[in-house]
Amino acid sequence: QVQLQESGPGLVKPSETLSVTCTVSGASISSYYWSWIRQPPGKGLEWIGYIYNSGSTIYNPSLRSRVTISVDTSKNQFSLSLSSVTAADTAVYFCARRLSGSYSERYFDYWGQGTLVTVSS
Amino acid sequence: DIQLTQSPSFLSASVGDRVTITCRASQGISSYLAWYQQKPGKAPKLLIYAASTLQSGVPSRFSGSGSGTEFTLTISSLQPEDFATYYCQQLNTYPLFGGGTKVEIK
Repeated sequence: QVQLQESGPGLVKPSETLSVTCTVSGASISSYYWSWIRQPPGKGLEWIGYIYNSGSTIYNPSLRSRVTISVDTSKNQFSLSLSSVTAADTAVYFCARRLSGSYSERYFDYWGQGTLVTVSS
Repeated sequence: DIQLTQSPSFLSASVGDRVTITCRASQGISSYLAWYQQKPGKAPKLLIYAASTLQSGVPSRFSGSGSGTEFTLTISSLQPEDFATYYCQQLNTYPLFGGGTKVEIK
């Protein structure tokens, strides 16, 4: 059974860097596309980026300048860093798995439960 | 950039009702669309992919149709556990989600 679990500090100060980690069990981090998706309170879903092939990345153009996604294959984990945060980055951050096949298969089939990160001084 | 517009944003329905949610893409995306259900405090759950393929384990009262720019998610007979928010997601290029449709009890 594939499981994803996010972890990270619940509170980050403005202008600092937000860091969240996703631990994957039941699937190899070296396969599939691993993604971060966020959801501000009461709002919709925003894709942040993918990591795949143990280190290749694709980012949402709107966040690209501030985002880094990295992977630790030895721990079967991947991480998100978002720099220069503001209150607008307050959201539940989800990690999710995407298959690596054709366009029809580029859905997210497994998700973590999400972790709320609040940006506040 | 492709835009996805869901309608309605909110709907009120009763148990047993047939419910239809629409997702319109600003340009053609073939059948590259998925639907998710999200309950409060939970992660989204995949319902349908490739516009009409039911994910394993999802009840058959859920169905999807459409291609190109217009897609629909239909719940044939609404059950109490179906009250949730539904999102479409285009599978072409970058992942993009619709704004969501909240289904509430009438």
